Amino acid sequence: EAQVTQNPRYLITVTGKKLTVTCSQNMNHEYMSWYRQDPGLGLRQIYYSMNVEATDKGDVPEGYKVSRKEKRNFPLILESPSPNQTSLYFCASSLKPGHYGYTFGSGTRLTVV
Amino acid sequence: GDSVTQMEGPVTLSEEAFLTINCTYTATGYPSLFWYVQYPGEGLQLLLKATKADDKGSNKGFEATYRKETTSFHLEKGSVQVSDSAVYFCALSDLSNYQLIWGAGTKLIIKP
Repeated sequence: EAQVTQNPRYLITVTGKKLTVTCSQNMNHEYMSWYRQDPGLGLRQIYYSMNVEATDKGDVPEGYKVSRKEKRNFPLILESPSPNQTSLYFCASSLKPGHYGYTFGSGTRLTVV
Repeated sequence: GDSVTQMEGPVTLSEEAFLTINCTYTATGYPSLFWYVQYPGEGLQLLLKATKADDKGSNKGFEATYRKETTSFHLEKGSVQVSDSAVYFCALSDLSNYQLIWGAGTKLIIKP
């Protein structure tokens, strides 16, 4: 089944403790992206990648890192999480987002205390 | 810059009512337009899309027509069901980097 898989689905962590949210897609898509969703603020793009070793900042990249060492994986790294990064995170992939749109993962609900 | 404006929610309807969720956009060029749906506790799913003017996207009884003259892409359904309760997002493609620009989302509540 074609899908985008995120892990974990839920995560509670403490301020400053580095964490990684994994994202993997099995559709051979070149484009991948990370979004966060917050009440009243909608969807905001954190980072995106147009291909292996090619990443770009989205609208809200501060406090996040990404890497794209292979086509299928696009992990999101929070080096020193803070409470304002408590949010619902989505990974997405696409063959060509401007034409086909994105396929989304099921989301990761992160709480930083 | 490019932007998408959706009607504010929540929109509350009775089962079998006619649904319209308004979406208008501003963009340079000719972007593709999308509607996504997010059911409670789930990720976003592509509902339908249109890639050029006058195209009609349709899926699961929902329709939307790309209207260049009114810069609109309104979502419609003739008879809604309780299972259609969800948040609906309108989006357009940014032709400069091929990423998506999102509307704020409209929550739809269908009462039996």
